[in-house]
Amino acid sequence: GAGVSQSPSNKVTEKGKDVELRCDPISGHTALYWYRQSLGQGLEFLIYFQGNSAPDKSGLPSDRFSAERTGGSVSTLTIQRTQQEDSAVYLCASSYRTSGGFTYEQYFGPGTRLTVT
Amino acid sequence: GDSVTQMEGPVTLSEEAFLTINCTYTATGYPSLFWYVQYPGEGLQLLLKATKADDKGSNKGFEATYRKETTSFHLEKGSVQVSDSAVYFCALGGVIQGAQKLVFGQGTRLTINP
Repeated sequence: GAGVSQSPSNKVTEKGKDVELRCDPISGHTALYWYRQSLGQGLEFLIYFQGNSAPDKSGLPSDRFSAERTGGSVSTLTIQRTQQEDSAVYLCASSYRTSGGFTYEQYFGPGTRLTVT
Repeated sequence: GDSVTQMEGPVTLSEEAFLTINCTYTATGYPSLFWYVQYPGEGLQLLLKATKADDKGSNKGFEATYRKETTSFHLEKGSVQVSDSAVYFCALGGVIQGAQKLVFGQGTRLTINP
């Protein structure tokens, strides 16, 4: 079946502009995650959704970052007033619930490479 | 807090050499442990996993054993190939600070020369 998809694959924006990144999880996966991969910082957890709610937003780096998920499916990560330090690859992942609870096995999308000039 | 420490890279080996990439973790509770691989120009792929102590995960000739006594999950392969060149990430997964998430190590870049 189809994997996790993300769009756009690449985004170049000017400092101060807002950007929206989109993630389409695997059908039937109830949990959705956003991570950021940048040089020198490795892979950094940003936020997690169970259904449409986000129990923990503490990984978001600043109040310029926000995310939402609608219909238990597609999620958007919005970065307002982008800064050069926001340049990174933003990864989305999803996972499914087993009879014993989540396996924590996450399936990743290809990422969106954001460059802020 | 929960964390993962990986062997620093880059690692360069010749084809058919034995590979070990060390990974140790700090966690409260009983996390699941994973190795993810990122091939050049591609996204993260799950390589193998172990969900409890003494479990051995294996895939594509790679193996790792969940060692609770040493809090380790070292990745091994007996004979590497050029196609194994990639960045390898060790990760632990569970409910951490109220959120289900993966905590990753810094990644180890592996290059295999023919």
